[in-house]
Amino acid sequence: QVRLVESGGGVVLPGRSLRLSCEASGFTFSKSGMHWVRQAPGKGLEWVALLSFDETYEYYADSVKGRFTISRDNSKNMLFLQMNSLRPDDTAMYYCAKGSDYFEYWGQGTLVTVSS
Amino acid sequence: QLVLTQSPSASASLGASVKLTCTLNGGHNNYDIAWHQQQPEKGPRFLMFLNSDGSHKKGDGIPDRFSGSTSGAERYLTISSLQSEDEADYYCQTWNTGIRVFGGGTKLTVL
Repeated sequence: QVRLVESGGGVVLPGRSLRLSCEASGFTFSKSGMHWVRQAPGKGLEWVALLSFDETYEYYADSVKGRFTISRDNSKNMLFLQMNSLRPDDTAMYYCAKGSDYFEYWGQGTLVTVSS
Repeated sequence: QLVLTQSPSASASLGASVKLTCTLNGGHNNYDIAWHQQQPEKGPRFLMFLNSDGSHKKGDGIPDRFSGSTSGAERYLTISSLQSEDEADYYCQTWNTGIRVFGGGTKLTVL
């Protein structure tokens, strides 16, 4: 079955960087678009970034554009999110999700806390 | 600008039915959406893709109690024979080139 396992979260100082990973299994990763979605504590879901299956296009929410970079390694079934210049309002649970237009499968998330 | 509007909360009794609403803003009546469920302290779960014509395709293992429908700019999620595990947040979601959008979510309480 489809499995998405995020890792790399933690506590980080404002202005620093963090790299999240998502290990995928149970489907043909190299043929699937992938996303990052986040959820601030007590808040709703917010889409963060999308990367097409072949990396020909990537899109970002305005709130992270220029600071976050989504990437993937299809040989290892891995998705990444490089987060730079982190701010306190980036504090959230970060989920990776499989799909193109919509999110067919979700991981359980990894928590990122940006605080001094 | 693409916006989805959901009521913040809803409630219904165990065994009853409930219909949750997601409204697309003006000019987007023909957009398809997806519904997602998030039970307390869990990651979200895809429920279904809902076409603007009312047809829908459910995710793996989603019970028949969950169904979707459409009327104009409104997109509905109906849950029948409510069970305690249906108490959750429900999000609608849509898309356009370069953007994915969520509604604010509806918190469903099963009484």
